[in-house]
Amino acid sequence: EVQLVESGGGLVQPGGSLRLSCAGSGFTFPSCWMSWVRQAPGKGLEWVAHINPDGGEIYYVDSVKGRFTISRDNAKYSLYLQMNSLRDEATAIYFCVAWDDSRNSNYWGQGTLVTVSS
Amino acid sequence: DIVMTQSPLSLPVTLGQPASISCRSSQSLVKSDGNTFLMWFHQRPGQSPRRLIFNLSKREPGVPDRFSGSGTGTDFTLKISRVEAEDIGIYYCMQNCLWPHTFGGGTKVEIK
Repeated sequence: EVQLVESGGGLVQPGGSLRLSCAGSGFTFPSCWMSWVRQAPGKGLEWVAHINPDGGEIYYVDSVKGRFTISRDNAKYSLYLQMNSLRDEATAIYFCVAWDDSRNSNYWGQGTLVTVSS
Repeated sequence: DIVMTQSPLSLPVTLGQPASISCRSSQSLVKSDGNTFLMWFHQRPGQSPRRLIFNLSKREPGVPDRFSGSGTGTDFTLKISRVEAEDIGIYYCMQNCLWPHTFGGGTKVEIK
């Protein structure tokens, strides 16, 4: 069974930092592109960051460039998102997403809630 | 950035009847390999999104064949041949042609 389990969300003050983690299982994590996608309360979906299988190709949405860092540890089947200088607009559920081209499949975690508020 | 525009915003449907959602991109999603980089996702209330369609018309494994995707370079349609109760929720189109990948605003499907 494929699983993606996010952790690390919580309440943080504006300007603070959080590190999100995502543990994958049931699929070949090292072969997959991985992403973080977020959803503000009651709103639509927004792609945040994207990383290729070996970590050498990374993309960020403009609004988080220079403040968020996506990384992965293939040996641990884990994906990370380091979020610094957090702003109110970062309040959202953050989903970990796997793109498994070998199976033409796509997997989502249950999400972890990040709340930025004073 | 490529802007994805969906319509309608809300779609009341009748069980057993067909339904159709439109999506338009601000530029072509066709790459030089001939593939169209357009996906459709479905999100039920309180759940994570689930991909239904990729590359314009290819169904994700396990997705019922009542779902189909079609379109041209900039105009796309998701069709449900016969709506079932489990199909309620919000549908999103998404382009993965150029970074940043962008989603449409969503279409809420509800039963009449």
